[in-house]
Amino acid sequence: DTEVTQTPKHLVMGMTNKKSLKCEQHMGHRAMYWYKQKAKKPPELMFVYSYEKLSINESVPSRFSPECPNSSLLNLHLHALQPEDSALYLCASSPRLAGGYEQYFGPGTRLTVT
Amino acid sequence: GENVEQHPSTLSVQEGDSAVIKCTYSDSASNYFPWYKQELGKGPQLIIDIRSNVGEKKDQRIAVTLNKTAKHFSLHITETQPEDSAVYFCAALGETGANNLFFGTGTRLTVIP
Repeated sequence: DTEVTQTPKHLVMGMTNKKSLKCEQHMGHRAMYWYKQKAKKPPELMFVYSYEKLSINESVPSRFSPECPNSSLLNLHLHALQPEDSALYLCASSPRLAGGYEQYFGPGTRLTVT
Repeated sequence: GENVEQHPSTLSVQEGDSAVIKCTYSDSASNYFPWYKQELGKGPQLIIDIRSNVGEKKDQRIAVTLNKTAKHFSLHITETQPEDSAVYFCAALGETGANNLFFGTGTRLTVIP
């Protein structure tokens, strides 16, 4: 089973709202990722967690706040977003961090900021 | 950092024909090259990958070739079917200790029945 699940599938939020995106995997993977994908563009890496610790933050604005409560869960907390933050937010996981391990993506959350 | 270029950006083929998508990369230290298929409204799906110690890998109708000297790799789909229609992304991983994939810009493949 190579399934990564994400909720919600769609989210519409105002610029003053606070919301959270959730990601879950039960493959025993110890690395988890958040990506942002704009229309007709490739995914862009935002954050990487390894063994529940933040490993990479690709200079993402502080209005995006990741959290990894345990090895199976990854959250992305959103606050005071801008309309240009509207995109597909993808979660991925891999067995480990280093060494070129396969990354498996979830279906994404389609976020619209109004 | 790594820079991955992908061509063509769009590709239309008749059902049953072959499709080839090509990517080049810049970092000679890159050692892992996955390919993803993304259907409309879905997340990218890993379809095949190749590591730098291998020149070719095949999985049924899909094959990937790697030329490390020239720093390019290609995806080959034979006997294409309408369900192969999607956007395909190549990616490269640098040997940095972090699983940081650098993606190509994508190829929209349309298989015409």
